[in-house]
Amino acid sequence: DAGITQSPRYKITETGRQVTLMCHQTWSHSYMFWYRQDLGHGLRLIYYSAAADITDKGEVPDGYVVSRSKTENFPLTLESATRSQTSVYFCASSHQIYEQYFGPGTRLTVT
Amino acid sequence: QQQVKQSPQSLIVQKGGIPIINCAYENTAFDYFPWYQQFPGKGPALLIAIRPDVSEKKEGRFTISFNKSAKQFSLHIMDSQPGDSATYFCAASSSGTYKYIFGTGTRLKVLA
Repeated sequence: DAGITQSPRYKITETGRQVTLMCHQTWSHSYMFWYRQDLGHGLRLIYYSAAADITDKGEVPDGYVVSRSKTENFPLTLESATRSQTSVYFCASSHQIYEQYFGPGTRLTVT
Repeated sequence: QQQVKQSPQSLIVQKGGIPIINCAYENTAFDYFPWYQQFPGKGPALLIAIRPDVSEKKEGRFTISFNKSAKQFSLHIMDSQPGDSATYFCAASSSGTYKYIFGTGTRLKVLA
């Protein structure tokens, strides 16, 4: 039972490059979320999705793009990475509105 | 009004002690309050959650106390163990939004 997985787990990229972080869940959960975690800020919602082809902005969406063509996948793309996007990114999913389950995270460094 | 304020930022207790982590909110529309536990290098894991129709909920050594009038809720860890050393996050959500607002986290260290 894989649950929710993220890839890559670690990524170093240069400023200006496009980067895609992958998230895959095996539970067929309707809801999926992307958060970033930074010291002193806790977890902040970037984008979320209620179902395939339905996405919406969270608290800090600028510089990020998401898509959800299949229920199980929710990739997050940084179109032109900036140093301020250096962070740990977590994907989460939820069957109902509540009880979100988190993936192991992707540590992204933008140089 | 969307913030959830969490304190303290860090906490050190002796084994067997009862660490208490507090959270406060402003938005009265919040109706679900989960706590997450996160170990280094791992994703947050749901620990326990409460809704405002009850004042207390226990699961094992973990207890949430909820004060609706004060708009505050707290996590108590009974008989704390070194294995409880982790970062704890409170959060709040309201019906129909499925968006969590997280607190900034409390780093707990339980000394052996």
